[in-house]
Amino acid sequence: QVQLQESGPGLVKPSETLSLTCTVSGGSISSYYWSWIRQPPGKGLEWIGYIYYSGSTNYNPSLKSRVTISVDTSKNQFSLKLSSVTAADTAVYYCARGSGYDYLDYYYYYMDVWGKGTTVTVSS
Amino acid sequence: AIQLTQSPSSLSASVGDRVTITCRASQGISSALAWYQQKPGKAPKLLIYDASSLESGVPSRFSGSGSGTDFTLTISSLQPEDFATYYCQQFNSYPLFGGGTKVEIK
Repeated sequence: QVQLQESGPGLVKPSETLSLTCTVSGGSISSYYWSWIRQPPGKGLEWIGYIYYSGSTNYNPSLKSRVTISVDTSKNQFSLKLSSVTAADTAVYYCARGSGYDYLDYYYYYMDVWGKGTTVTVSS
Repeated sequence: AIQLTQSPSSLSASVGDRVTITCRASQGISSALAWYQQKPGKAPKLLIYDASSLESGVPSRFSGSGSGTDFTLTISSLQPEDFATYYCQQFNSYPLFGGGTKVEIK
């Protein structure tokens, strides 16, 4: 059974870079899309971006200028870097496994395995 | 970009009630919609994909329907463990979630 675990600092200073890693266990990182999603306190879900195991990426346009997602297949890990953080980046950050396919001009995509989430606070 | 609007944003219901949550897309997305359940302090859990396909292990009281712009998540008989927030999600250039529907105890 595939499991995901987020890790990284729980406190980041404003203007610095948030760095998180998601470790995939119980299965290979090969195939699938590997996403980061966040949830500010009391608010809804915001998708940040994903990386395919081959290295291709897709980012939320609203965060694209500050986000980098990378993958290390040898360690079965993928990582998130979010630069120039502010208090608005305070959230629970989740990693998730996604699957997708094209059918008749539409793209079907869903995330079926999620990590438990890690809380990141941006504060001096 | 396609927007997803969920309604209601919250509802109160009793155990045993039939509950219906709606998700409306700003333009047609065929059946490319997923539903998730999130309990407080927990990660979201996939319930339904492709608008109406039940994820493995999800109780049969959950069902999804719809195509095009209007979608529905139905809980046929609400159980105590179903009190949670529910989100719809589609993909148009990138994944996007609806605003969520909180199901509370009446």
